[in-house]
Amino acid sequence: SQQGEEDPQALSIQEGENATMNCSYKTSINNLQWYRQNSGRGLVHLILIRSNEREKHSGRLRVTLDTSKKSSSLLITASRAADTASYFCATAAFYGNNRLAFGKGNQVVVIP
Amino acid sequence: NAGVTQTPKFQVLKTGQSMTLQCAQDMNHNSMYWYRQDPGMGLRLIYYSASEGTTDKGEVPNGYNVSRLNKREFSLRLESAAPSQTSVYFCASSDTLSNQPQHFGDGTRLSIL
Repeated sequence: SQQGEEDPQALSIQEGENATMNCSYKTSINNLQWYRQNSGRGLVHLILIRSNEREKHSGRLRVTLDTSKKSSSLLITASRAADTASYFCATAAFYGNNRLAFGKGNQVVVIP
Repeated sequence: NAGVTQTPKFQVLKTGQSMTLQCAQDMNHNSMYWYRQDPGMGLRLIYYSASEGTTDKGEVPNGYNVSRLNKREFSLRLESAAPSQTSVYFCASSDTLSNQPQHFGDGTRLSIL
């Protein structure tokens, strides 16, 4: 099964800086999704980008998708302490009943 | 609107004991999923149910059984718990339509001694 792999694994930044995370995958996808997980909580959906899209924005989030390189990036601009969390990418295959294959996650710490 | 509700939130079992983890969603979603999350491993799919009355194995189904009780509820059962099943278990649901996000509960933290 396909699986997202994030890079880097851990990131520590100052409040106000931008944070960038990357994700690579191995097979063709229908869409790629990014989720956030705060400590001790479930995953929260952030943004979904379809395989025919190259870039998508949602508030301070910017996601890019390069299907030729099988990679995606998540940019969080003007980070806040509340952005401290783990971020996961997940891929959905065509005809996969919306099943997701998750990467191992990036831990982001935003220092006030 | 509660979303996805999981019970219990915490549980400690002894090896060999059985237990059922409960999950309910109030979003009228057709599809439901069970994952486990281990440190450094991300989330791995145990079982999923594409619609009421159907269930299918995911990536790591051994040692587990599931029941899709009705459209709202999807339970996960450990028949004979093993220490290797110590993990955080998440239930999720989604619409069946393509390109839909999954909605997660807050998890059940399960320790098996």
